This record gives sequence, C-alpha cells and structure tokens, in this order.
Amino acid sequence: ETGVTQTPRHLVMGMTNKKSLKCEQHLGHNAMYWYKQSAKKPLELMFVYNFKEQTENNSVPSRFSPECPNSSHLFLHLHTLQPEDSALYLCASSPPGASGDTDTQYFGPGTRLTVL
Amino acid sequence: RKEVEQDPGPFNVPEGATVAFNCTYSNSASQSFFWYRQDCRKEPKLLMSVYSSGNEDGRFTAQLNRASQYISLLIRDSKLSDSATYLCVVNNDYKLSFGAGTTVTVRA
Repeated sequence: ETGVTQTPRHLVMGMTNKKSLKCEQHLGHNAMYWYKQSAKKPLELMFVYNFKEQTENNSVPSRFSPECPNSSHLFLHLHTLQPEDSALYLCASSPPGASGDTDTQYFGPGTRLTVL
Repeated sequence: RKEVEQDPGPFNVPEGATVAFNCTYSNSASQSFFWYRQDCRKEPKLLMSVYSSGNEDGRFTAQLNRASQYISLLIRDSKLSDSATYLCVVNNDYKLSFGAGTTVTVRA
C-alpha cells in the first residue's frame, strides 16, 4: 500500500479552468517531486522540493504553479492549460540521509489529466 | 542524445522463459542506477538497485557496465505477473533520469 496519495485520480478540465492537484506523503520524507508522464515518453521531472523549499524547476511553463506548505503536502496549481498538457502527473517523495537513501523515490498513483 | 535510452519492446515471452534487455545512459559521471517496474496505468515502483558488481534478487539479475555505459536486467523463469514496463533509472547529482521503458509481456 503506497504511502503517497494523490487526489484527484482523474481530472478533465477546459483550457480556461483553474484546478489543483494534491499530493500527500505519510512516510516522513523531506523531498517531494512532481513528474509528468506522457504516453510512450519517459517521466519528465517538473519540480523538486526539499524541506519545503523549491530546489528544481525544470523549465516548466508558468501555467503550472507548485506549492509546498510543509514537508508532507505538495500541490500543483493548473491554469490556462493546453491540450498537450494532458498526461499522467505523478508525485513522489524520498527520504533524507546518505546518497543511497535519497536515490529511492516512492510514487503516488498519479492524476490522469485530460485538457479539452 | 537522450540521457537514458531503452528498447521499447514489447518482449513477448512464454511462461518459464528467460528475457533480458539493456539500457544505455549518456552521462559517464552517473552515480547510481535502478530498475523500476510500472504496471499498466499504475505508478512506478522500485524493483531493484543496480550495483557495479552485479546483483540478484530472486529471479531478477541486474548488471552494470560502466565502460560501455549500459545496465541490463535479466528475468529468469518468467511469470505472468512479470508482465509490466520496466523503467531504467539513472541518478545524476540526485536527479533521477528515466528511460521510456521496456514492455515485457509474459504469455501462458
């Protein structure tokens, strides 16, 4: 059973809508991540947060806005998206410690987003 | 050149067969390597780490060849439940780079 939860699991939105994706981890980890997975493509890292501070923004368009109020919660706010943004959005977390620990990431089940 | 490249497959094998596939990576300074498994419409899950000396976990064997910059995964005595997409993952400065995955289908 995953220690990382995501809501909603499915989302359909129009290009003018504003919505938010939520991720919560119950593992005591300090790092959280947003990834985008499109069909037949590798996971693309979008954002990284360590101890609530954003440490990575992988050239993501401003229509995606992350928020990390604490080490257990991560949001992805969406506005004026495009149809090509339709994808599976995965949240992950990883534990603190030596390099061997931070390598392992635990994924949530994802939000399947469709932009009409 | 992509950071991590995998043969997408699919590899269709009968139960009990052995299947093996590779993954190449572009950054010679990559620190660590993993195989993740992703079932259809599910999230990726860590299958195993890949160590320089090679390592086994039950029916799964992973190898790393730093000189040629590839890692491999071998599955012995395939089970129906092994059907999945296997993602090659490389750690570069604590950022994970994922391959697009190799799909394996085990048939009865």
